[in-house]
Amino acid sequence: DGGITQSPKYLFRKEGQNVTLSCEQNLNHDAMYWYRQDPGQGLRLIYYSQIVNDFQKGDIAEGYSVSREKKESFPLTVTSAQKNPTAFYLCASSLSPRNRETQYFGPGTRLLVL
Amino acid sequence: AQSVTQLDSQVPVFEEAPVELRCNYSSSVSVYLFWYVQYPNQGLQLLLKYLSGSTLVKGINGFEAEFNKSQTSFHLRKPSVHISDTAEYFCAVLSGLYNNNDMRFGAGTRLTVKP
Repeated sequence: DGGITQSPKYLFRKEGQNVTLSCEQNLNHDAMYWYRQDPGQGLRLIYYSQIVNDFQKGDIAEGYSVSREKKESFPLTVTSAQKNPTAFYLCASSLSPRNRETQYFGPGTRLLVL
Repeated sequence: AQSVTQLDSQVPVFEEAPVELRCNYSSSVSVYLFWYVQYPNQGLQLLLKYLSGSTLVKGINGFEAEFNKSQTSFHLRKPSVHISDTAEYFCAVLSGLYNNNDMRFGAGTRLTVKP
């Protein structure tokens, strides 16, 4: 089955620690996205990638980093510079970056701070 | 830049009753509109989308939405809800000018269907 997988489902971070969230897709999509979801708010874009080896900052990129070395993978690192990392993180992909293409979402990773 | 307002944060309804979840957007250019559903601790699933053509859009699970350009609205409706429709619903808008990275989401409406 084609789809987007995210791991782990739950992730705990200690103070000063960097953690990496995994996102993998086997849909052969060019574009991938990372969103942050907080209670009572919509989704906010952290980073996006239109093609391999390219990525751009979204609205709330500070304290996060990404890489796009392979088409199917777009990991997100939450660095120690992100002071309020507790949230639900959603990865998405679309066939191309064109605005008519539907974004498909993974199941999400919930990040909690110890 | 475009923005989205979902007018109700919570909508409680009884099973088999009709429901309307309201969404208004603002944009100075043409838009594409989406409704997504999110079940607890899961990702978002596309319900329906409006790209062009007929303003009445039918989606999965018996939902439909109507694009009203003059009122800048894209309200979601279902004539008879089930317990399984209990979830959070998000309206999203994408400007016709930009790439897919500029999708804006509403804050969500929590639909609770009671027996």
